[in-house]
Amino acid sequence: NAGVTQTPKFRVLKTGQSMTLLCAQDMNHEYMYWYRQDPGMGLRLIHYSVGEGTTAKGEVPDGYNVSRLKKQNFLLGLESAAPSQTSVYFCASSYSLGRENYGYTFGSGTRLTVV
Amino acid sequence: ILNVEQSPQSLHVQEGDSTNFTCSFPSSNFYALHWYRWETAKSPEALFVMTLNGDEKKKGRISATLNTKEGYSYLYIKGSQPEDSATYLCASTVPSSFGNEKLTFGTGTRLTIIP
Repeated sequence: NAGVTQTPKFRVLKTGQSMTLLCAQDMNHEYMYWYRQDPGMGLRLIHYSVGEGTTAKGEVPDGYNVSRLKKQNFLLGLESAAPSQTSVYFCASSYSLGRENYGYTFGSGTRLTVV
Repeated sequence: ILNVEQSPQSLHVQEGDSTNFTCSFPSSNFYALHWYRWETAKSPEALFVMTLNGDEKKKGRISATLNTKEGYSYLYIKGSQPEDSATYLCASTVPSSFGNEKLTFGTGTRLTIIP
């Protein structure tokens, strides 16, 4: 019972490099999310998906792209990394945030440093 | 209130004492309020999801109440133990064209239990 798995756990990038963060869930959740966590800012939503093949922008989408080709995977891409993207990235998934009373299941995070 | 706000930002409590902290959220278009417990170097774990005005949820020594008319929720910890040390996040759903599938997080209350 893996839950939500994020890879990699740590990465150092040079400015201008690209990379993809992978989030995989084995709970058959419909909804998946990418958040970034910065000191004093709390969790801020980057992009999210309400189902396979769908994506939508969150609060801070600039500089990131996402894809949800398979229900269980949600990829976050940085095309040209910038130092401002240094952060801890969390993926989360859920069945629904309606009255079914399910919360998010979070991955363990990816610590990204852009130098 | 336009955002989800939590107070205090941090709290030190003597082991054995009880404590509580507050989450304020926009009361218009309310759908659900979530509480998460986030230990250092781990990922957030869902504690409660509440939807109805007057809701009260309990898990062991931790309980939460909800007032949707005035837009606040309290989290209570009875007889604090060292393992309660964590950051406690609350989050409220934000309606969108897709539905009520996004959460806006507060910045958390960092609780430290002093042995």
